[in-house]
Amino acid sequence: NAGVTQTPKFRILKIGQSMTLQCTQDMNHNYMYWYRQDPGMGLKLIYYSVGAGITDKGEVPNGYNVSRSTTEDFPLRLELAAPSQTSVYFCASSYSWREFINGYTFGSGTRLTVV
Amino acid sequence: GQQVMQIPQYQHVQEGEDFTTYCNSSTTLSNIQWYKQRPGGHPVFLIQLVKSGEVKKQKRLTFQFGEAKKNSSLHITATQTTDVGTYFCAVSNQAGTALIFGKGTTLSVSS
Repeated sequence: NAGVTQTPKFRILKIGQSMTLQCTQDMNHNYMYWYRQDPGMGLKLIYYSVGAGITDKGEVPNGYNVSRSTTEDFPLRLELAAPSQTSVYFCASSYSWREFINGYTFGSGTRLTVV
Repeated sequence: GQQVMQIPQYQHVQEGEDFTTYCNSSTTLSNIQWYKQRPGGHPVFLIQLVKSGEVKKQKRLTFQFGEAKKNSSLHITATQTTDVGTYFCAVSNQAGTALIFGKGTTLSVSS
């Protein structure tokens, strides 16, 4: 049972380039999330999805896009990368809120540097 | 939107000392969760508190939810080097569809 798998683990992008961060889960969780973590700032919610075909903005969505075509996959797209997007990105998943007692399961993260 | 303040931001203790981190909200919370992130790792779920005044224990860790459901604390008794990491509290957003995390308390322990 792999849980939440994120790829790649590390990436260096040049300013203006684009990339997709992949996230897949095998726990049949309905809810999936993308967070970014900057030093001393905790985790900021970028986008989330409550099911296939449904996505919504979080606290810091600008510069990112997401899609949710299947229950398992929730890719995060960065268009026109900027240095401010240098961060560690975590994908997470969970059952629906009312069945939340087991919390989020996080992936191991993608460390992205934009130069 | 929903926010939680977590204090202190950093704490250094000698091994064997106790440690407490606090999470405070200006609004009443439906529930609160706690996570631990080891250096270089990802957050790992510890516990969820739901009831007013609730106290839960996990070995040397004690979690409390305030009577007014506006604050919570995590207390570690007799810290060990394995307790090193950042501890986050997290609360539901207004829609009840995602978690909003505090900035975390980073604990360092010297032996």
